[in-house]
Amino acid sequence: GAVVSQHPSWVICKSGTSVKIECRSLDFQATTMFWYRQFPKQSLMLMATSNEGSKATYEQGVEKDKFLINHASLTLSTLTVTSAHPEDSSFYICSAPGLASYNEQFFGPGTRLTVL
Amino acid sequence: AQSVTQLGSHVSVSEGALVLLRCNYSSSVPPYLFWYVQYPNQGLQLLLKYTTGATLVKGINGFEAEFKKSETSFHLTKPSAHMSDAAEYFCAVTGSTGFQKLVFGTGTRLLVSP
Repeated sequence: GAVVSQHPSWVICKSGTSVKIECRSLDFQATTMFWYRQFPKQSLMLMATSNEGSKATYEQGVEKDKFLINHASLTLSTLTVTSAHPEDSSFYICSAPGLASYNEQFFGPGTRLTVL
Repeated sequence: AQSVTQLGSHVSVSEGALVLLRCNYSSSVPPYLFWYVQYPNQGLQLLLKYTTGATLVKGINGFEAEFKKSETSFHLTKPSAHMSDAAEYFCAVTGSTGFQKLVFGTGTRLLVSP
């Protein structure tokens, strides 16, 4: 089946620094990937849609200058949290549509970001 | 547009008891429906999905769900709960036509007591 990986699985950083999270499709190509954010004990909220070779599409209320998304290849999308602050601490999850059905998504294991 | 409502943020059952997690959806086009399970600090694991065909779908770990169009429901059941079923469960919906975003419910935490 389709496997999506994320790196790192967890990261702790100081306030004001930038953090990059990678999302890779290991055994398939993904022209589109999705980035979600999950606060403790809450559901997943779609942040943005990452498109290979073009600009990402951000959901309403998500700051595109704060959450930089780059989808440079068919297997890699990156999310960079710039000038991170404690309120950015969250669980970030990426996903990619499968080959059989575009509307079925495969999720990465998530990245826990803690900003001190 | 799609939306999902999960009734009950927490459901408690005894080991061996029936598990019923409720999910109602709305969709402007024929839906694809999913149930995912999430263990602490982990990503989402697909339990089962409904796309087309049989309305009763069976998934992993003994779970099943029935798509009822007339009731706009996709409730998740398991005949006998196991301690290892304790986790967060998310119902999600997307449209079957064109590209539609995956919309999640707020989640239901299943607690299983011995």
